[in-house]
Amino acid sequence: AQSVTQLDSHVSVSEGTPVLLRCNYSSSYSPSLFWYVQHPNKGLQLLLKYTSAATLVKGINGFEAEFKKSETSFHLTKPSAHMSDAAEYFCVVSGPGGYNKLIFGAGTRLAVHP
Amino acid sequence: DAGVIQSPRHEVTEMGQEVTLRCKPISGHNSLFWYRQTMMRGLELLIYFNNNVPIDDSGMPEDRFSAKMPNASFSTLKIQPSEPRDSAVYFCASSLKGTGGYEQYFGPGTRLTVT
Repeated sequence: AQSVTQLDSHVSVSEGTPVLLRCNYSSSYSPSLFWYVQHPNKGLQLLLKYTSAATLVKGINGFEAEFKKSETSFHLTKPSAHMSDAAEYFCVVSGPGGYNKLIFGAGTRLAVHP
Repeated sequence: DAGVIQSPRHEVTEMGQEVTLRCKPISGHNSLFWYRQTMMRGLELLIYFNNNVPIDDSGMPEDRFSAKMPNASFSTLKIQPSEPRDSAVYFCASSLKGTGGYEQYFGPGTRLTVT
């Protein structure tokens, strides 16, 4: 069965320092993987997606993620945090069955301090 | 593209009243999803449609909840009668089923408060 585990419920960084949000997945087949961001009182926005092409995926706002099959990981990184990056981030794996159902992680809340 | 459109953005109602949430998916998308988000339970998938047909409604909490998709450009989620525990943010998302990733695009949500 497909599942995703976000290893940190909260991450706090200083502005200008690197961001690392960790995600491990479980899938019985080659998955599609996504990161979504949700700013306070907003909907979820797609940051980036992996679909079995390049293992290093670049997204919006300077974020990127690397698919590592051997480690079953899909960690999200950004070289330098900005105050506007403060939000909740969801790691997501495609579900089974041929339909485009997604399985969401519990989320990681990122705080950015001046 | 206007994105996924939801209405109303906020709804406050009294217990026992009927509530109808509306969603217009992105034009050309063939799959539509309804989610509920609360602090306690996080993001839950309630139901999803493919080509206007309900595929999986196992996430619908109980018979008080119903969803319809009469055509490709409109869906409703109805709660009758509403209860305080239904208070949550309800999101609609749409997607184009096919090859290459199945990403979903979310609307801004409807914040429902049942008093």
